[in-house]
Amino acid sequence: DTGVSQDPRHKITKRGQNVTFRCDPISEHNRLYWYRQTLGQGPEFLTYFQNEAQLEKSRLLSDRFSAERPKGSFSTLEIQRTEQGDSAMYLCASSRQTGGETQYFGPGTRLLVL
Amino acid sequence: TQLLEQSPQFLSIQEGENLTVYCNSSSVFSSLQWYRQEPGEGPVLLVTVVTGGEVKKLKRLTFQFGDARKDSSLHITAAQPGDTGLYLCAGALRGSTLGRLYFGRGTQLTVWP
Repeated sequence: DTGVSQDPRHKITKRGQNVTFRCDPISEHNRLYWYRQTLGQGPEFLTYFQNEAQLEKSRLLSDRFSAERPKGSFSTLEIQRTEQGDSAMYLCASSRQTGGETQYFGPGTRLLVL
Repeated sequence: TQLLEQSPQFLSIQEGENLTVYCNSSSVFSSLQWYRQEPGEGPVLLVTVVTGGEVKKLKRLTFQFGDARKDSSLHITAAQPGDTGLYLCAGALRGSTLGRLYFGRGTQLTVWP
């Protein structure tokens, strides 16, 4: 069990640029979640995958955001035409389908949009 | 409005003191997790509680799930500087098959030597 990994850990970009983050879940976990956390707040749900199917998207996930999990393993989260309000910590979590709702989080990707 | 209200938001205490953090909601949860988060890192799971009235102990930490599964508490006995961090409660709503977690805003705990 190597834990959830995320890459990159930090990203600084200019407003209007596109960015892509990667998440590798715990290997036997078929559920994968993306959350966003801003300063002073708890994480907020963005989207959820079961295997390769994206089953739920939050209203927070505007048209500029897209997430994929093409082979049911790793996932990517892309933000197009970044805005300063996108600056946040982006967290990925995974869980087993049959293991209850316990989710294990990665270290996060800190995004700063200048 | 937050689905889970966590209090207090900030807690600053001396080493050796006891403390309790509360997590309350008007909604019923099928399970509730407590996490601890360090600056610049992801939340690290401390415990999951699933049964109403359940009490779990993790060394000096005691977690309780309310009988109605709407609230939870975290009690730390004889706090140490190493307990410093952001404590988050998070719950999965009863009846949801998708398992998304709703988080409280967190309690920032500082334990002074």
